[in-house]
Amino acid sequence: AQSVTQLDSQVPVFEEAPVELRCNYSSSVSVYLFWYVQYPNQGLQLLLKYLSGSTLVKGINGFEAEFNKSQTSFHLRKPSVHISDTAEYFCAVPIIQGAQKLVFGQGTRLTINP
Amino acid sequence: DVKVTQSSRYLVKRTGEKVFLECVQDMDHENMFWYRQDPGLGLRLIYFSYDVKMKEKGDIPEGYSVSREKKERFSLILESASTNQTSMYLCASSSPPGGDYGYTFGSGTRLTVV
Repeated sequence: AQSVTQLDSQVPVFEEAPVELRCNYSSSVSVYLFWYVQYPNQGLQLLLKYLSGSTLVKGINGFEAEFNKSQTSFHLRKPSVHISDTAEYFCAVPIIQGAQKLVFGQGTRLTINP
Repeated sequence: DVKVTQSSRYLVKRTGEKVFLECVQDMDHENMFWYRQDPGLGLRLIYFSYDVKMKEKGDIPEGYSVSREKKERFSLILESASTNQTSMYLCASSSPPGGDYGYTFGSGTRLTVV
């Protein structure tokens, strides 16, 4: 079964600074990869996904992620964060390739300081 | 856009009560899921369903059951609520790869058992 590891449980950054949230996955074969965001007291919302094609994926709210097969990584980045980006971010991968069940990382809490 | 609607945002129930959490999706998705989310534990899969009347246990099914009589509706049942079932419950639905792959989540139900 595939798995994902989010390397940081909490990431504090200052407003307008760049941010990178790290995610590594376990499989060495082609995978589908997802990032979800959870704003306070809400459900999870799809931020972006990689299914195939270009390794640089652009999502909502100015976020992007790069699929790196050699590093088995799918890090999430934003060049300049805003207070409204304060949320928890989850990386996810299908439990086996093509399966409907997703396995989620433990989450990274992004805190933006003014 | 796919919408997943959870019937209650907040619920307070007494120990021993039978509790029903309802989830409805409006995009004809085959797959539906129930997760619980607890601080430090991330998302844990309780049950999922890949078709009407079909269900499969997730990682933590004890104390829960589910019902899927219609494709759009997936209910989570706490047979006899206990305080350790106080949690955020998230419902999700998904379509297979090739389509709009990935989960769509509801807004969550925060359940408190007293």
